[in-house]
Parts: sequence; C-alpha cells; structure tokens
Amino acid sequence: ETGVTQSPTHLIKTRGQQVTLRCSSQSGHNTVSWYQQALGQGPQFIFQYYREEENGRGNFPPRFSGLQFPNYSSELNVNALELDDSALYLCASSLGWGRGLGGPQETQYFGPGTRLLVL
Amino acid sequence: RKEVEQDPGPFNVPEGATVAFNCTYSNSASQSFFWYRQDCRKEPKLLMSVYSSGNEDGRFTAQLNRASQYISLLIRDSKLSDSATYLCVVMRVHGGRRALTFGSGTRLQVQP
Repeated sequence: ETGVTQSPTHLIKTRGQQVTLRCSSQSGHNTVSWYQQALGQGPQFIFQYYREEENGRGNFPPRFSGLQFPNYSSELNVNALELDDSALYLCASSLGWGRGLGGPQETQYFGPGTRLLVL
Repeated sequence: RKEVEQDPGPFNVPEGATVAFNCTYSNSASQSFFWYRQDCRKEPKLLMSVYSSGNEDGRFTAQLNRASQYISLLIRDSKLSDSATYLCVVMRVHGGRRALTFGSGTRLQVQP
C-alpha cells in the first residue's frame, strides 16, 4: 500500500450539486496532485499543491478548486457538477522538489481513488 | 494530437511470451518518463522510471529514444499476473511547475 488514503470511496451526486473529495498524503510528502480518470482513459492532471499553494493546473475550469492543509492533506472541490464529471478521481502524493528530475522524490504515489457518479 | 499516445490494445499473449509496448510523446521539452501499471478498478502504481541509457528491472526493460520521442517497455516471460493496463507517463517542467501527462494506456491480457 502507498499510504495515501482518499474518502469517500464512492459518491453519487446529481447535476448542479457540489462535491468535496479528500486525500491524506503519505507521511512526509508535501506535494499532492489531483487527477480525473474517465472510463477507458488515462488520468488527466487537474492541479497540484505544494506546501499549501497551488503549483500547477491542467485544463480544468475554475469550478474545480482545491486546498491543501498544514498537515499536507488536501481537498478537491467541484461546483455545479455536470454529467461529464463522472469519473475516478485520484490523488497522488510525492516528496516534492527533488534535486534531480526523475529521482525518487518525483515519484507520485496514488491513493485508491474516489468514484464519482453524476446523475 | 494527444501529447502522449499509446496503442490501446488489447495485447493478448500466451504465458511466457515477450511483449513490447511503445509510446510516443509530442513535447520535446519533456524531461522525465515513467511506466505505471494499473489493474482493473485500482489506482496506478509506478512500474519503473525510464532513463536515457535504458534500464532493466527483472523481466521488464524500458528504453527512451529522445530523437524519435518514443518510450518502450519490454516484458519478457509474461506471467498471468502481468495482465493489466500499462500507462506511459511524461513529465516536463514549465515555469518552475511540473506537468505530468498520462497516455490512455495499453491493455495487456496474458493467457494461460
């Protein structure tokens, strides 16, 4: 196991509602990234948090927002849910800035994900 | 064109076979490369990083060709437990921020 936990494991919402997903990073990891994985696709990068600040964002609208807390756990919030938001939401933690690209510090460890279904 | 492209498969191979997957990336500024494995309805797990000189981990060998912008994964002596989706992952740094891009994955089914 990676030591990264996510809650809830499954969630059903209706269009227009709001949802908050939670992630606890592996002990000592200060960077959390969030991904959306639609069925049959690879994970798509939503954003990354490093020491409580957003540190990069993919092509997702502003209704996708996040937070990172002093203990490095993180939340993903999605407002005004749409049917296409139905997906597996993954968070991944890493040690953050390493001395060299591709080193062990760059490795991202994924949590088990939250399956969101929007009806 | 997708930034990272993979043949979706499925690759159906018998136990003991050797199978190879390729992945191409479009952004020449990409700097780090990885293969992740994802089992059905599970999270992706790092299989191996890919280095310019090529690297091997047991039955798995990864190669990187920067000139042609492709990455490969070779699996020798396939086991039933190798059945999974293999995700090619590319990372680049832009303005001090890292972007990680996943391919859609190649599905492998090893048959008895």
